[in-house]
Amino acid sequence: NAGVTQTPKFQVLKTGQSMTLQCAQDMNHNSMYWYRQDPGMGLRLIYYSASEGTTDKGEVPNGYNVSRLNKREFSLRLESAAPSQTSVYFCAITHGQAIRSEQFFGPGTRLTVL
Amino acid sequence: QQPVQSPQAVILREGEDAVINCSSSKALYSVHWYRQKHGEAPVFLMILLKGGEQKGHDKISASFNEKKQQSSLYLTASQLSYSGTYFCGTERTGNQFYFGTGTSLTVIP
Repeated sequence: NAGVTQTPKFQVLKTGQSMTLQCAQDMNHNSMYWYRQDPGMGLRLIYYSASEGTTDKGEVPNGYNVSRLNKREFSLRLESAAPSQTSVYFCAITHGQAIRSEQFFGPGTRLTVL
Repeated sequence: QQPVQSPQAVILREGEDAVINCSSSKALYSVHWYRQKHGEAPVFLMILLKGGEQKGHDKISASFNEKKQQSSLYLTASQLSYSGTYFCGTERTGNQFYFGTGTSLTVIP
């Protein structure tokens, strides 16, 4: 029972390159989230998916796209990476709505854009 | 939109107490608290819900003043394992969630 897994763990990109961050869960939870964490900024919500087949923008969605592939998987895509997207990306899940539920976080993906 | 936390950093000796505060400009349904150790993912501590219901499973306690839109996290008789960065989180809608900028807590022997 791994909980929440993220791949890759580390990634270095050049400006303009694209990549997809993967998140998978084995807890059968409905809601999934993507956050980014920058020094001094805390965690900021990029996108979330309340259930399979639905996605919504969070606080900082510009430059990102997401896909809720099925109940288990939620991916985050950077179409044209920029240095401002250098950050640590966390995927999280909840059983119900975030306001009432504990969030379980994945181990994170450390992304550097040169 | 981000909740404001204070203090930004605190250093304690083992056995001392600490209080971390979180305040929001918006009316809140709930406040969440998480702890993150360096290089790791945040870990849930507790949720405080409007109406007084509190959910958590740690010895650390917290309060939620709905009228003032404030919450405080109380760490008593601190242990070395309490070191880390503490984040409060608040909601805007059911799934829109905002974390504070964090409070760095260091416990020294």
